[in-house]
Amino acid sequence: GEDVEQSLFLSVREGDSSVINCTYTDSSSTYLYWYKQEPGAGLQLLTYIFSNMDMKQDQRLTVLLNKKDKHLSLRIADTQTGDSAIYFCAESDTNAGKSTFGDGTTLTVKP
Amino acid sequence: DAGVIQSPRHEVTEMGQEVTLRCKPISGHDYLFWYRQTMMRGLELLIYFNNNVPIDDSGMPEDRFSAKMPNASFSTLKIQPSEPRDSAVYFCASSLDRGTGELFFGEGSRLTVL
Repeated sequence: GEDVEQSLFLSVREGDSSVINCTYTDSSSTYLYWYKQEPGAGLQLLTYIFSNMDMKQDQRLTVLLNKKDKHLSLRIADTQTGDSAIYFCAESDTNAGKSTFGDGTTLTVKP
Repeated sequence: DAGVIQSPRHEVTEMGQEVTLRCKPISGHDYLFWYRQTMMRGLELLIYFNNNVPIDDSGMPEDRFSAKMPNASFSTLKIQPSEPRDSAVYFCASSLDRGTGELFFGEGSRLTVL
């Protein structure tokens, strides 16, 4: 079945860039997503990329997709302490009607 | 819109008791999902509905778990009898259609079974 993998922890200093990586196995993925979960809250969509794109930029966020290697990354520029959270990579095959999530990467931003 | 609304936010119960978690999806969303989140297993999809009909319940762990969606604005997840290993945060999410597949999550129900 589909599988999404990501590293569990990342620690950066405030003002640095953060790069969170993800790999997936489903070659029929239509959309790939990054969700953010703050403590005690549900997941919230940060950004998504359509599978026929290789890059998407949205303010401090840059998503890179290497479809050949099934590799997705999220870069956060000028990381702030408020960016500390768990970041989930997810893929969906819209024919299947559901998304598969990775285990989440806990980002810690140190002042 | 108020977003996806879940209740209760926190529930502490004793082993063997029945637990009912409730969810109100965003109005107009055709898909509703129930997820469970634990440290050990991460985020697991339990079941999802399309237009109130269960589509895939392969993630439901055991017969002790059941989910219903009697109408477009309400769903329940029931555990009977509950066990300590059911302790987790249970999320409900809804989605407009298959389009982009963006999920809107509720705040979650934190269940502790003693």
